[in-house]
Amino acid sequence: DTGVSQDPRHKITKRGQNVTFRCDPISEHNRLYWYRQTLGQGPEFLTYFQNEAQLEKSRLLSDRFSAERPKGSFSTLEIQRTEQGDSAMYLCASSKWLRTSTDTQYFGPGTRLTVL
Amino acid sequence: AQKITQTQPGMFVQEKEAVTLDCTYDTSDPSYGLFWYKQPSSGEMIFLIYQGSYDQQNATEGRYSLNFQKARKSANLVISASQLGDSAMYFCAMREGAGNQFYFGTGTSLTVIP
Repeated sequence: DTGVSQDPRHKITKRGQNVTFRCDPISEHNRLYWYRQTLGQGPEFLTYFQNEAQLEKSRLLSDRFSAERPKGSFSTLEIQRTEQGDSAMYLCASSKWLRTSTDTQYFGPGTRLTVL
Repeated sequence: AQKITQTQPGMFVQEKEAVTLDCTYDTSDPSYGLFWYKQPSSGEMIFLIYQGSYDQQNATEGRYSLNFQKARKSANLVISASQLGDSAMYFCAMREGAGNQFYFGTGTSLTVIP
């Protein structure tokens, strides 16, 4: 059973550059979530998809952030004009949502972003 | 108000002993789910255990059990027979009703001492 995968695992970029992260969820999962985690904190919700539809976005998700899930499978998270405050671990999670399920989220290994 | 509160930034436990990690939550929704995750230094969040608000019995998964006290709004994780590999950050999380996001606490760092 393949888990959630994320690519790249690490990304170092200069301030002002654009970066894109990819997430491949567990194959039968219809929901996909993005979180941001900074040092010493728990993950903070950014956005989520059900199939290809982006159904909710956090206030944390500024206009510089955009996420897509074009075919309801993998997802990308793009950050434009990166700032040093964007340095964090970006976590992806997926779940198989059914009306009666626990909707447990399973996480990928994360992408650690460092903005210089 | 914080949705999830974990008041223990760090805990130490002797190998083979049991340890309890505290978690309190805040919600007015009668339907919610509570989750515990383990995050080793590698960074991946590993799902441990789930408790639904309507579940009559405390959840158990191997060495993990959840001490669910609904009136006190607490959902403490109990790890029995601690192992060195249990050293990690532990996060409590909640999903409210049919809501679609998890609220995480700030975590507890557990260190198992040989």
